[in-house]
Amino acid sequence: DAKTTQPTSMDCAEGRAANLPCNHSTISGNEYVYWYRQIHSQGPQYIIHGLKNNETNEMASLIITEDRKSSTLILPHATLRDTAVYYCIVRVEGDTGRRALTFGSGTRLQVQP
Amino acid sequence: DAGVTQSPTHLIKTRGQQVTLRCSPKSGHDTVSWYQQALGQGPQFIFQYYEEEERQRGNFPDRFSGHQFPNYSSELNVNALLLGDSALYLCASSLLGGKLFFGSGTQLSVL
Repeated sequence: DAKTTQPTSMDCAEGRAANLPCNHSTISGNEYVYWYRQIHSQGPQYIIHGLKNNETNEMASLIITEDRKSSTLILPHATLRDTAVYYCIVRVEGDTGRRALTFGSGTRLQVQP
Repeated sequence: DAGVTQSPTHLIKTRGQQVTLRCSPKSGHDTVSWYQQALGQGPQFIFQYYEEEERQRGNFPDRFSGHQFPNYSSELNVNALLLGDSALYLCASSLLGGKLFFGSGTQLSVL
């Protein structure tokens, strides 16, 4: 699986949009970009994933650049409950080998009141 | 619908002992994966089970073993515990390689 690079930490004001970047310059054509987050003392939680088109769900939006070498997770109106570590992961979806997720160190997002 | 459940939530063992952790997958899921998360680090893949067999394994010694039962639940066993085995152990379930759903983990402390 392609490696990802994320900033170690970020701050965001409550109510503002949080934009979390991720670089994945070695991504392959069949690899999806996944985002998970981990709130303190809990297991990671799936947020969103995409291949090449922008995606949006009730939690967040995912913007993938045209060359697919980077992406941005957007939390449109951050709340204190969004304080967590955010992981950007690339992997093949529906892989018959059911490939494991490879987590990096993630971005620690601190939402400030 | 219950999500992924793990037991126990916390456990304290001493060096050299053996431990068994348990996981029940989300309803309808057939694949269970186990991860180890040391303090301040991202989760590290241990192994994955489906159809009651170990299908993939990360870079962990054979002191770490597992089992999957016909009802898809799973156990993680660690023998000859070391201080460095202290970590949060996470179970995740999925269906057909789709997105993973994680439990809240078992916090293991080895003294």
